[in-house]
Amino acid sequence: KAGVTQTPRYLIKTRGQQVTLSCSPISGHRSVSWYQQTPGQGLQFLFEYFSETQRNKGNFPGRFSGRQFSNSRSEMNVSTLELGDSALYLCASSSTTRTDTQYFGPGTRLTVL
Amino acid sequence: EDQVTQSPEALRLQEGESSSLNCSYTVSGLRGLFWYRQDPGKGPEFLFTLYSAGEEKEKERLKATLTKKESFLHITAPKPEDSATYLCAVQADSNYQLIWGAGTKLIIKP
Repeated sequence: KAGVTQTPRYLIKTRGQQVTLSCSPISGHRSVSWYQQTPGQGLQFLFEYFSETQRNKGNFPGRFSGRQFSNSRSEMNVSTLELGDSALYLCASSSTTRTDTQYFGPGTRLTVL
Repeated sequence: EDQVTQSPEALRLQEGESSSLNCSYTVSGLRGLFWYRQDPGKGPEFLFTLYSAGEEKEKERLKATLTKKESFLHITAPKPEDSATYLCAVQADSNYQLIWGAGTKLIIKP
């Protein structure tokens, strides 16, 4: 089975711009979670989608949003980028929202200048 | 409050020198505990899931164990390629969301 894929892998933006990141889960997986990872904060949960519905949300400002499509692919959007948004954004998929293990993609490295 | 603490923050070992990493947790009802390995700039790679106290799982030089308060990741005769950050996460009965530890950075010197 193909793993979780994320596009693009690297992105450079300037402050004030917006960005959209994409995640394709493992085939058959219906849950997609997004995380932000920075050296100082570790893995921070952004949100989780299951069957096109947001089931969980972390403590991030409204500039961070996401959605899931009927084929389980997911996108996250960050508007009005700030320097502090520079991070590795990780997507993870699992077959359900409960006990199933999350499998991570390679991440998108976002740099905000 | 649900919480996960990993220790030590960093660990340097000589090749072949066995040791253990610790993940202690406080959660109101454990649904599962997960171990991942992460290489720099890459996504975490799944290692193990443990569900109940007394459970053990092994994979090559790694062995994970679970008690009611903590989990250990034992590394036997490590090699330089085992160098990575090892992450622990727990899932509570009350919530789907994983609670992550800060990780242990393991360095194996040849």
